[in-house]
Amino acid sequence: AQTVTQSQPEMSVQEAETVTLSCTYDTSESDYYLFWYKQPPSRQMILVIRQEAYKQQNATENRFSVNFQKAAKSFSLKISDSQLGDAAMYFCARTRGAQKLVFGQGTRLTINP
Amino acid sequence: EAGVAQSPRYKIIEKRQSVAFWCNPISGHATLYWYQQILGQGPKLLIQFQNNGVVDDSQLPKDRFSAERLKGVDSTLKIQPAKLEDSAVYLCASSVRQGSTDTQYFGPGTRLTVL
Repeated sequence: AQTVTQSQPEMSVQEAETVTLSCTYDTSESDYYLFWYKQPPSRQMILVIRQEAYKQQNATENRFSVNFQKAAKSFSLKISDSQLGDAAMYFCARTRGAQKLVFGQGTRLTINP
Repeated sequence: EAGVAQSPRYKIIEKRQSVAFWCNPISGHATLYWYQQILGQGPKLLIQFQNNGVVDDSQLPKDRFSAERLKGVDSTLKIQPAKLEDSAVYLCASSVRQGSTDTQYFGPGTRLTVL
């Protein structure tokens, strides 16, 4: 089965510190994209960052960066200088075809003040 | 730019009743998706529209769920009759092509509770 696995159901970090969320995936496609979405208690899924599989350079968006290891099919999210507003469920997803997404089970991130 | 709009935000119904959810995608987005997200899980695709045509409804329980996207803009998702296991958040998303894939943008969701 072509799945996305997030092995950490819950993570916590002290405010201002750095945390890394893990994601592994399986795919038979040669060209695909990977995404991290954030879902706060308000429930709206917000796009955090996306990575194109054919690009070796890791994507970065302000305090958010990824470590993309294509051979290992690993796609972790690093959040630097954690803020209270980063508390949310984080979902890793990969494309299936050009338009569909397959999601992981999510990691609940808690920020401790 | 306005985001994906959904209504209502919350709905509580008795089992065997019917319910409908509404979605207005981001202007210009041709592709629209409905997802079901059960508590503690990632979203699961129910149906995908391209303009007003159905691209994929393989995961839609067609005996009770229906969806339409008239005129290729707004969409409604209906459940009739509802079951207890339909309690979930229903997310609508629309997408735009960026590079060689679409990037999906989500609405705030509708939390459905079936009693």
